[in-house]
Amino acid sequence: DAGITQSPRHKVTETGTPVTLRCHQTENHRYMYWYRQDPGHGLRLIHYSYGVKDTDKGEVSDGYSVSRSKTEDFLLTLESATSSQTSVYFCAISRQMNTEAFFGQGTRLTVV
Amino acid sequence: EDKVVQSPLSLVVHEGDTVTLNCSYEVTNFRSLLWYKQEKKAPTFLFMLTSSGIEKKSGRLSSILDKKELFSILNITATQTGDSAVYLCAVEDNSGGSNYKLTFGKGTLLTVNP
Repeated sequence: DAGITQSPRHKVTETGTPVTLRCHQTENHRYMYWYRQDPGHGLRLIHYSYGVKDTDKGEVSDGYSVSRSKTEDFLLTLESATSSQTSVYFCAISRQMNTEAFFGQGTRLTVV
Repeated sequence: EDKVVQSPLSLVVHEGDTVTLNCSYEVTNFRSLLWYKQEKKAPTFLFMLTSSGIEKKSGRLSSILDKKELFSILNITATQTGDSAVYLCAVEDNSGGSNYKLTFGKGTLLTVNP
């Protein structure tokens, strides 16, 4: 398995609270991605990173921010969680373009 | 609008049947198309396609890309109950910008009954 770890694996939080999800890799891959997966929507890209301090928005970036201060860590922050952000969040990594992306095991976030 | 469209959204077959899953795309500066299988956890990689007309094959699974007509198919022959999963198609493109990203379709839910 690719060395990619998401934490926490499960979290329940209250509406309005900040939440940070962490993706940690040991593969030294350049690209890192955050997706959310919801029934009927498949995997939707939130933000991605193409290098340290280099990030860009995906298709559902509103309400989310990211940071990548070092190669191995990509953090996803919900500044003020809402119930619509209840979802399963997947982190993925890829070495470069034209190579497969490997996924973490996912984080199930519930906002109550 | 959807850039990566998979069909059908769901499919129920019997063991031993052959299935064909479809993925069409409309993106700027296409780089590659990838297929993943997702059971009750993280997606796992199946194939990556970059050139038209070259079939990728792994056991009972095979896939091919048509860059002129902008689609790919994933074939599974002699299906088994263990093939039951969501099959995801993803396309790597840059949407006219400078950085490439991976965009997924909604997936096809395949159920193989004994």
